[in-house]
Amino acid sequence: KNEVEQSPQNLTAQEGEFITINCSYSVGISALHWLQQHPGGGIVSLFMLSSGKKKHGRLIATINIQEKHSSLHITASHPRDSAVYICALNSGAGSYQLTFGKGTKLSVIP
Amino acid sequence: DSGVTQTPKHLITATGQRVTLRCSPRSGDLSVYWYQQSLDQGLQFLIQYYNGEERAKGNILERFSAQQFPDLHSELNLSSLELGDSALYFCASSQSGLPYEKLFFGSGTQLSVL
Repeated sequence: KNEVEQSPQNLTAQEGEFITINCSYSVGISALHWLQQHPGGGIVSLFMLSSGKKKHGRLIATINIQEKHSSLHITASHPRDSAVYICALNSGAGSYQLTFGKGTKLSVIP
Repeated sequence: DSGVTQTPKHLITATGQRVTLRCSPRSGDLSVYWYQQSLDQGLQFLIQYYNGEERAKGNILERFSAQQFPDLHSELNLSSLELGDSALYFCASSQSGLPYEKLFFGSGTQLSVL
């Protein structure tokens, strides 16, 4: 079983829809990152979470440490949100390594 | 623009060859990370440097090596290249190299081994 499982693998939404991407993990973590990768390859770090909830614009990330689960929500989705969203873990205290999920490919249709 | 610069953007070479990928971190960042992204394995952590010293090592092959220079730029050397080394190689940087820091990624080097 992979340490990090993301769902869904692929997601197609109409512009304006509320979107949720899920990340479940099986190990203890010190932090969880949400990354965005646009076509063409560049990666942007969206959030780094160790507890609770963070919000930036239309993006909201939550984490439940007890349930080993995190969600990334996009409100009022837009075609420019089309990208691959990747969940990544810092597992264990003092770990500098990130373990990555396989990503969720989001396509937002106008 | 993340402020992290990677060169070259694309590299095409043959099996058995050696290549060097270069990364300049954001101004003020002391830590550099290298990652490999392939179609079958996804993103994998290779190695981390902090202020010139190796800090953490991941799934880096013995044929691969890296270093961070006094001006903080880093190079990833890949030798005896195989077809399976074809991948996108990312560099990222952070200020202090602590596990809870936000990472800033370069745009990657696409390596094609023919």
